[in-house]
Amino acid sequence: SQQGEEDPQALSIQEGENATMNCSYKTSINNLQWYRQNSGRGLVHLILIRSNEREKHSGRLRVTLDTSKKSSSLLITASRAADTASYFCAIDTGRRALTFGSGTRLQVQP
Amino acid sequence: DAGITQSPRHKVTETGTPVTLRCHQTENHRYMYWYRQDPGHGLRLIHYSYGVKDTDKGEVSDGYSVSRSKTEDFLLTLESATSSQTSVYFCAISESRDFTDTQYFGPGTRLTVL
Repeated sequence: SQQGEEDPQALSIQEGENATMNCSYKTSINNLQWYRQNSGRGLVHLILIRSNEREKHSGRLRVTLDTSKKSSSLLITASRAADTASYFCAIDTGRRALTFGSGTRLQVQP
Repeated sequence: DAGITQSPRHKVTETGTPVTLRCHQTENHRYMYWYRQDPGHGLRLIHYSYGVKDTDKGEVSDGYSVSRSKTEDFLLTLESATSSQTSVYFCAISESRDFTDTQYFGPGTRLTVL
């Protein structure tokens, strides 16, 4: 499968701590995107990183991409209870549509 | 949810019955997608549309058909629902095929097939 695989599947941290989740994939990509899904809601786009970029920031989010290792990481700094959600990576391989991973469930304890 | 609505939001049906889910957008985006979300599988693409009357299959298209007669509406039909089609269905839209464009997702439809 070309889909991204997130690791860990679940993560529980305290408010104020940093949360790191990883995504690995198997094929060449054009770009990689991260989405968040709150319980019972649709996915919301967080950040996109192109294949020729190594790091990108957006507010408290930091995404890295290592195409040699076919992996990406999403770091959420100074986490808040409102960050509790599932996080998905999605890869664009130039095929018909994005390919999503199975997600990381993040629980931020207040 | 970026001007995307899905109806119904919840549906319970019986095996063998036809079911149609509707996705409606007010963004005038060209591309529309249907995904299903199941535990342990993430989102999987069922069908997508790249214009009115232009559709193509995704990775899990068996048992599903779609239609798009207007830019704003994309219908997903289960001709004869099966229990394996119990899932949460999401519609998404994007402005272009270039995935540097964000995909915007609807709120989802929870379908239970008994």
